[in-house]
This record gives sequence, structure tokens and C-alpha cells, in this order.
Amino acid sequence: GAGVSQSPRYKVAKRGQDVALRCDPISGHVSLFWYQQALGQGPEFLTYFQNEAQLDKSGLPSDRFFAERPEGSVSTLKIQRTQQEDSAVYLCASSLVEAGPANEQFFGPGTRLTVL
Amino acid sequence: TQLLEQSPQFLSIQEGENLTVYCNSSSVFSSLQWYRQEPGEGPVLLVTVVTGGEVKKLKRLTFQFGDARKDSSLHITAAQPGDTGLYLCAGEGWSGGSNYKLTFGKGTLLTVNP
Repeated sequence: GAGVSQSPRYKVAKRGQDVALRCDPISGHVSLFWYQQALGQGPEFLTYFQNEAQLDKSGLPSDRFFAERPEGSVSTLKIQRTQQEDSAVYLCASSLVEAGPANEQFFGPGTRLTVL
Repeated sequence: TQLLEQSPQFLSIQEGENLTVYCNSSSVFSSLQWYRQEPGEGPVLLVTVVTGGEVKKLKRLTFQFGDARKDSSLHITAAQPGDTGLYLCAGEGWSGGSNYKLTFGKGTLLTVNP
């Protein structure tokens, strides 16, 4: 497909489990972003990659959150020892060029994580 | 602290009515984007406004960026059931911050009843 894809679409985890969320950006897109969207809220920035380099991880809420994009395409967001407050929709977005003013970000459908 | 305040949070109207939703901030943004998000999907960009005072029209949707680049509005004329969704505004480059981070409001959930 031509858009951003994410998998799995839904994930249920028991508290304390580790999870890995995958993002396949649009082919050739340089920039990749992860956002967290809690119920009834707008998305909140987590981290930004330019190709394989993680240039900004200031939005990651704790050291249990880790993201990587080793070959500059697919990205994985890993959450260790999940807690109930991690329950949210995790959105991935990609952009054609290096991030800059008014560049369009294309969002995937998100992964809905529920931690019991 | 929510940097972008959207109002109203919820709006339910009948088909054919007009409506306006607002996005306000005390901070200056280099640009502001409006998105629509449907259940189970990611946000889809509707428009980007960059210049203070700018007005953009997209069919029945009219977007305005405030002169001071701190606020914006979205006006929909003759709303249709297909307009139903969560409307999000997102500011870029908050008060000199990184020109790629999007700061989103909480959104306005619009329901247009047939």
C-alpha cells in the first residue's frame, strides 16, 4: 500500500510485559515520528528520526520507552514493563523530507495498546 | 499545560447547519495545521496556514490564522454527515521551539446528524 502502515493494530498486554510496535513508513520518506494519543486527547510527540538517526527523543515518557529505526525505513517502538498508564493509541507518521516548517506528516492508523 | 485550547470539545448539529470551531493559544506558532481524524484511523491533514491573517478555503471549509499567529478557526458551511469526525489543530514551532514538533489540541468531536 501507499500509506503508512502499523502493526499490530490492537495489542493487549498484562502489566509488566514488554511490547513492540512496528511502523512501516511511506517508501522513501526521510522523517519518521512517533506520537502517543490517550483517550480523549490529541496526539503527543514522542520521538523523531531523520533516516536512521534519532534526533529527538524528548517526548518519551520514561526510560521504559525505546525506539529504533536501524536501516532508516521500518521503525519499532518498544515499551518495557508496561503499566496501565501506557494504555493509548500509538501513532506513527512519516514525511518526505527532513523535518521543517509546514512539512506534511502522513499518519498511520495507529496501534491501540491496552495494558490490563 | 495544554498549549492549544480547542473549543467546543463536542458539537452535535443537524445536516445543513453552519459551524465554527476554535483553536487558541497564548504562544506564537510558525504555522498551524488542521487535521480530521476518524475512529480507528490516524489524523489526515486538511490545511496548513503559515501567514498571520491568512484565510484558506477548501470546498465548504474555511480556515483562518489569527494576525498574531496564536489562534485559528475552522468554519464549515452546510455541514454534511460525512464531515463527522474529530477535528484537531496542531501548532508547529511553538515559541521558537523545534520547527517540526507538532503540538496538538485535544480536538473538537463533531457529529453531523442526517
